[in-house]
Amino acid sequence: AQSVTQLDSQVPVFEEAPVELRCNYSSSVSVYLFWYVQYPNQGLQLLLKYLSGSTLVKGINGFEAEFNKSQTSFHLRKPSVHISDTAEYFCAVTPTSGTYKYIFGTGTRLKVLA
Amino acid sequence: KAGVTQTPRYLIKTRGQQVTLSCSPISGHRSVSWYQQTPGQGLQFLFEYFSETQRNKGNFPGRFSGRQFSNSRSEMNVSTLELGDSALYLCASSPQTGNTEAFFGQGTRLTVV
Repeated sequence: AQSVTQLDSQVPVFEEAPVELRCNYSSSVSVYLFWYVQYPNQGLQLLLKYLSGSTLVKGINGFEAEFNKSQTSFHLRKPSVHISDTAEYFCAVTPTSGTYKYIFGTGTRLKVLA
Repeated sequence: KAGVTQTPRYLIKTRGQQVTLSCSPISGHRSVSWYQQTPGQGLQFLFEYFSETQRNKGNFPGRFSGRQFSNSRSEMNVSTLELGDSALYLCASSPQTGNTEAFFGQGTRLTVV
């Protein structure tokens, strides 16, 4: 079985400041890792994903994440946030084979302050 | 390429009624999954269909069911609605091979009164 923990339910940050959203996972099998963003009353949009290879993954809108296998973490970072980044961010995992089921964390609400 | 389309976007139903939600996946995608999103439970997997067959099922009561048609479109049905079924229902489609990415629709907001 897999589980995902997002340690921070809310993260306030000032505009143009850096931000890190934390994600830790637990799994007995190999997994793919994802970060999704959700704007109010919208579906989920993929920010980035780690499948294999380089542990530093770059995504859309200037976001990046680093996969750390020893710490079972996949933290999301952005060096300078904008007001438009205000949204809820979800970390997710899915096994590399077998089920197509995605396991999501509880989400982190990022609020960018002017 | 058109994205995942879910209809309707909003729905209000009364306790005890049943409801059917529809999802049209991205063209060429044969895997369709459904998720329930609530403030208390977060995003929870309901079921996944591939080529008209249910491959995986989450931990939901039998009132929740689904099906997939030969054109990959999917429907989910909830019978005997309860207040706790109020949620955003999200559909996701994935490419034929592998589970390396799920593309989500905008969801159907179901309110049970």
